[in-house]
Amino acid sequence: GAVVSQHPSRVICKSGTSVKIECRSLDFQATTMFWYRQFPKQSLMLMATSNEGSKATYEQGVEKDKFLINHASLTLSTLTVTSAHPEDSSFYICSARDPAESSYNEQFFGPGTRLTVL
Amino acid sequence: GENVEQHPSTLSVQEGDSAVIKCTYSDSASNYFPWYKQELGKRPQLIIDIRSNVGEKKDQRIAVTLNKTAKHFSLHITETQPEDSAVYFCAASKDSGYALNFGKGTSLLVTP
Repeated sequence: GAVVSQHPSRVICKSGTSVKIECRSLDFQATTMFWYRQFPKQSLMLMATSNEGSKATYEQGVEKDKFLINHASLTLSTLTVTSAHPEDSSFYICSARDPAESSYNEQFFGPGTRLTVL
Repeated sequence: GENVEQHPSTLSVQEGDSAVIKCTYSDSASNYFPWYKQELGKRPQLIIDIRSNVGEKKDQRIAVTLNKTAKHFSLHITETQPEDSAVYFCAASKDSGYALNFGKGTSLLVTP
């Protein structure tokens, strides 16, 4: 199957700073990527849909000015958590579909980024 | 929007027994139903999926059934093993390009 990478895998930052998380599709081009957030012992919650070359679509309750998404190329989407606070500490996971895969609905997940805000 | 309900939230079975996890969905337009296994701190791993034009799918010890009329689908794991212990999530989505809507997860524990 297709491969999605994420960087960094783990980050610790001070409250008030910004953190950028990268999501890359390594062997396919993804016009659409998804960003999820997962708090401990909870499910994955969709934050936003990232579209190459256009603005991201945010889910209700997700602040677009706080969680900046940039999908500048067909293989890279970035999520920037601005002015991070302890409540933003979470596991952030991206995913993408490979349009060339026969099972086109399947989403391929990145390994996730564990963000801890002190 | 789509709402996916998953039951039970925890499930404990003895090794060799079967485990069944059930999910319901609300949006009749959903046509793709994957199941994921997630170990602590790791990404979700797809274990099986089913599309709305199929009623059942099996892969070795794992099977999924779908009832479109009732809008529910189930995961069946037979001959469970301790390494099956993990959190399992069901999900639903519409056509390609749409995000997945996840259930709340089931923590499965298989005891030797």
